[in-house]
Amino acid sequence: NAGVTQTPKFRILKIGQSMTLQCTQDMNHNYMYWYRQDPGMGLKLIYYSVGAGITDKGEVPNGYNVSRSTTEDFPLRLELAAPSQTSVYFCASRPGREAYEQYFGPGTRLTVT
Amino acid sequence: GENVEQHPSTLSVQEGDSAVIKCTYSDSASNYFPWYKQELGKRPQLIIDIRSNVGEKKDQRIAVTLNKTAKHFSLHITETQPEDSAVYFCAASWKRSNDYKLSFGAGTTVTVRA
Repeated sequence: NAGVTQTPKFRILKIGQSMTLQCTQDMNHNYMYWYRQDPGMGLKLIYYSVGAGITDKGEVPNGYNVSRSTTEDFPLRLELAAPSQTSVYFCASRPGREAYEQYFGPGTRLTVT
Repeated sequence: GENVEQHPSTLSVQEGDSAVIKCTYSDSASNYFPWYKQELGKRPQLIIDIRSNVGEKKDQRIAVTLNKTAKHFSLHITETQPEDSAVYFCAASWKRSNDYKLSFGAGTTVTVRA
């Protein structure tokens, strides 16, 4: 299994541009999460999903959107990028309700200038 | 969500000494407390976790202790080695919409001096 994969690894955006961060897992996990990690800070939850077709906001959802059309994929959309969205973005997944461990992807480093 | 505070923010230890990182949380309903290790430029990796029905858990040189009454938990690394140098994050669970999420501490940068 590849586990959780993310693309791209790095990206530079100009203010006002849009992009989609891709996240795929091949472990048949129902639960998926998007976090952002700012320098010197812990991870903050942006959005999460408990299964295909079901998504909900986390702690810092403003400026982002998600969709979950399949079990495997959980893309994160940035509309009208702002410098405050410069961060490292991690996707994570977990098997189901009683399995608590989250498995992280390698991250996407995004810079908005 | 949950409010998780982590101390210290940086920790420098001599190789072979012990390292201790402490976290406090605010939600008395929290029942899952994982610790993640993150090496520079890499993804967070789970190193140990503990559930609220257990007071202590050990895995070789690392251990976690939990005090539910005081709402704090700690990571202990014994006989530290250079490869233990990394950023360590604690986390605590919180519940919404009948499912749990994680809130993370700000991290502790551990440097093991040879």
